[in-house]
Order: sequence, then C-alpha cells, then structure tokens
Amino acid sequence: EAGVAQSPRYKIIEKRQSVAFWCNPISGHATLYWYQQILGQGPKLLIQFQNNGVVDDSQLPKDRFSAERLKGVDSTLKIQPAKLEDSAVYLCASSANTGVGGSPLHFGNGTRLTVT
Amino acid sequence: AQTVTQSQPEMSVQEAETVTLSCTYDTSESDYYLFWYKQPPSRQMILVIRQEAYKQQNATENRFSVNFQKAAKSFSLKISDSQLGDAAMYFCAYRGNNAGNMLTFGGGTRLMVKP
Repeated sequence: EAGVAQSPRYKIIEKRQSVAFWCNPISGHATLYWYQQILGQGPKLLIQFQNNGVVDDSQLPKDRFSAERLKGVDSTLKIQPAKLEDSAVYLCASSANTGVGGSPLHFGNGTRLTVT
Repeated sequence: AQTVTQSQPEMSVQEAETVTLSCTYDTSESDYYLFWYKQPPSRQMILVIRQEAYKQQNATENRFSVNFQKAAKSFSLKISDSQLGDAAMYFCAYRGNNAGNMLTFGGGTRLMVKP
C-alpha cells in the first residue's frame, strides 16, 4: 500500500510570511494527525482529525495555525504569520481506527520548515 | 496528562553487540499501549515494536525486544546483534486506549553504531 504522502519536503520562508503543508493519508485511514517536531525533541501533537472532524486541537496555536481536512481525506496545515520558533519538521500521520489504542500510526517523511 | 521520559540523549554500541534504551512514563490509566519508533535521517517515523499494557509477556520482534515493567512504569528497548542500519533516533511513545486517544512521545535517544 502507498504510504502517507507529504509536500513540500522543505520550505524556507521569512518571518511573518505564510506557509501551507499538504498531507495525503493512507487510503481508508479515518484518523489523521499533524505533529510538530522541533530539532532535538520528540514530536508534539498539534491536531487530530477523525474523518473531517477535529478530535483534539488543544496544542494548536490557533492565533496563527489552522488546519482542515476536507472530505475526510487530504489535509492542509497553514501557518500565518510564521515566527522564528515555528522552525521545525511537520509530520503527518494516519491510523485506521482511533477507537483502538493499539492501531499503529503511519508517518510521512515530514516537511522541514525554516523561518528566517 | 501522560508524560514520557527518555533519560539517555545519546547511546553508542559496537556492531553485533547488544544495547538497551530506557523509557519511563507517567499515567493514571490502566489500559494503554506503548511503542518504540525509529527515526532515521529520512525523518520518517518507523514503528519498531508495540506492547499492550494488559499483556504480561514482553513483546519481541526479531532482534528487538522490550522489558515492560508496569508497576515501575518502565518500558526499555533491547536491540540485539546491533547493525549499522540501526543507527537512528529512537522514540518511546504512549497511547491510552480510549476514543480520541493521542500518541505522546518522549524526547528521543540517538543511537550510534560503531563498526
């Protein structure tokens, strides 16, 4: 099966600019996650979708970050305006069933964002 | 809130030898899952092994095995017969077994394998 696809692979922007990341999960996976991974740290969950509804966005900085998952498939994560501290790798993941904790998450290769 | 702690920022092992990576976690839940993920320079997180908290038997996947101590809230990963391809960041992660559960990661351990 095809894995989780993310684009772009790299992005460099100046502070106060806007940026968007795209994710296409594994076909049939109902749950989609966006994680932020700052260099040298473990990934931190930003938002979790179940189909096209938000399950958890408690750690999403909503004043500048937004995410949507139209039609319960692809998702986009946007930052507007970007700050220097937003420099990180943004990982998208999907899983088949959120009701079962053992369902593994499948991750994409991530987008490395550099804000200058 | 659950927390996951990896106290070893870096570990080194000689090729063909065995290394153990440590992980502790904090939770008030009784039903949960624990995972070890590997992240090579390609950045993709790859599932290495999974443990169900209700199982007393330690999980094993080929050269990878865990030592799960539920009472101590400890979940270490043992890599036997280390190979150069094992060099990567390793993350321990926790996930509760309820609806809407999220995966919480530790800070990671960088494993270096010496030829």
